[in-house]
Order: sequence, then structure tokens, then C-alpha cells
Amino acid sequence: DTGVSQDPRHKITKRGQNVTFRCDPISEHNRLYWYRQTLGQGPEFLTYFQNEAQLEKSRLLSDRFSAERPKGSFSTLEIQRTEQGDSAMYLCASSPQIWLGRGETQYFGPGTRLLVL
Amino acid sequence: GDSVTQMEGPVTLSEEAFLTINCTYTATGYPSLFWYVQYPGEGLQLLLKATKADDKGSNKGFEATYRKETTSFHLEKGSVQVSDSAVYFCALEMTGGFKTIFGAGTRLFVKA
Repeated sequence: DTGVSQDPRHKITKRGQNVTFRCDPISEHNRLYWYRQTLGQGPEFLTYFQNEAQLEKSRLLSDRFSAERPKGSFSTLEIQRTEQGDSAMYLCASSPQIWLGRGETQYFGPGTRLLVL
Repeated sequence: GDSVTQMEGPVTLSEEAFLTINCTYTATGYPSLFWYVQYPGEGLQLLLKATKADDKGSNKGFEATYRKETTSFHLEKGSVQVSDSAVYFCALEMTGGFKTIFGAGTRLFVKA
């Protein structure tokens, strides 16, 4: 069990550039979540996938943000035309689907820290 | 909308002291409740959870009881250790979906 991995771990970019982050969930987990965490705050939900279907999306996820999980395995989160306010830690988590699927533990990756200059 | 409020930190305790970190929530329906912990230099990990009213979650000497009447899920430990120093996050999974809402986190320092 290699856990949830994220790439890159750190990203520095200039305002206006596009960035893409990758998340590889635990292999047998069909649920995948993206969060954003700023300093001193808890993770804020961005979006949720069940297999390849994006089932929930936060209003925080503006038109500049898009997430995909094309084959129900790894996922990508793209931010277009980055702004300084996008600077944060972007966390990915995965969980298994068990009967009724409520209250399952989420397993978090180490995060990608984004700094927009 | 649904929300989670937890006590502000930092909380500083001496080793073997009793710990309480308060967490209250606002939610429709019957959410599942969680405590996640982030140790220094590590990622978030589940500490304990409860999926219905009056359930008690427990792990590593920590306990929390899902109290629907007071909409609370306070974290307690009878005797903290230096190794418990971390940031603790209370969270709820919304009814009818899988969106999870986290509190702002409470940093705990335990002195030897």
C-alpha cells in the first residue's frame, strides 16, 4: 500500500500562468476528493469523484478550476490564469466504497503547495 | 449551510493533563462526524469517527461522542503525551452527499 501520492509537491508560478496537479489515489479506492487549505485553516472541499464521475463541486471551484479523473484512477486539477489568491496547499484524498458508503475514512496525500507570484 | 466550529488554539498542556477540544456543528439531517489529526511534517490522518447519534469513536486513548441534542463532537483524552502535539481538525460529512466540511483546526502543544 503506497498511499495517496501527489505531484508536484511544490509549485511556484507567475500570475496568469496555468498549473496542473496530479493525484494518484490508493489503487482500490474509487472515491477521490480535492481540497484547498490555506495557512491556519482547515481543508476546504473543492470537488468529489466517484470513479470517473464528478458528482459534487464546490462553489469555490470557479471557472478557472477544472478537475478530471478520466479512467477512474488518477486525477488532475488544473488552475487556469492563476491569481495570487490561489496560493494554498492543494490536498487530494481517496476512500473506498463500502456498503451504503457513509462515513468512510478519507486517506490524504501530502499535498501540493502552490505559490503564485 | 452546514458548518463546523471548533475551539481556537493553541492549547498548551503539560504531560498527563486532561484534554478537551470542543467541536460543534450545524447540519441538516444526520451527518457523519470525524476527528482528523496532522502531526508535524505529516499529512492529515483519521483519528476517530462516529456515523450516528450517541456513537462513541475512540482511538489511541482519544474519545468523542456524537451528541445530536447538543450538536457536538468534543474530543477528549485523559492523559496527553508529548507525542500528541499536533493540529486536530473536526469534520462532518454532509447528509445526502460526500462533501466534507472541516473546522479551522486546533493546535495542541504538550510540554514534558
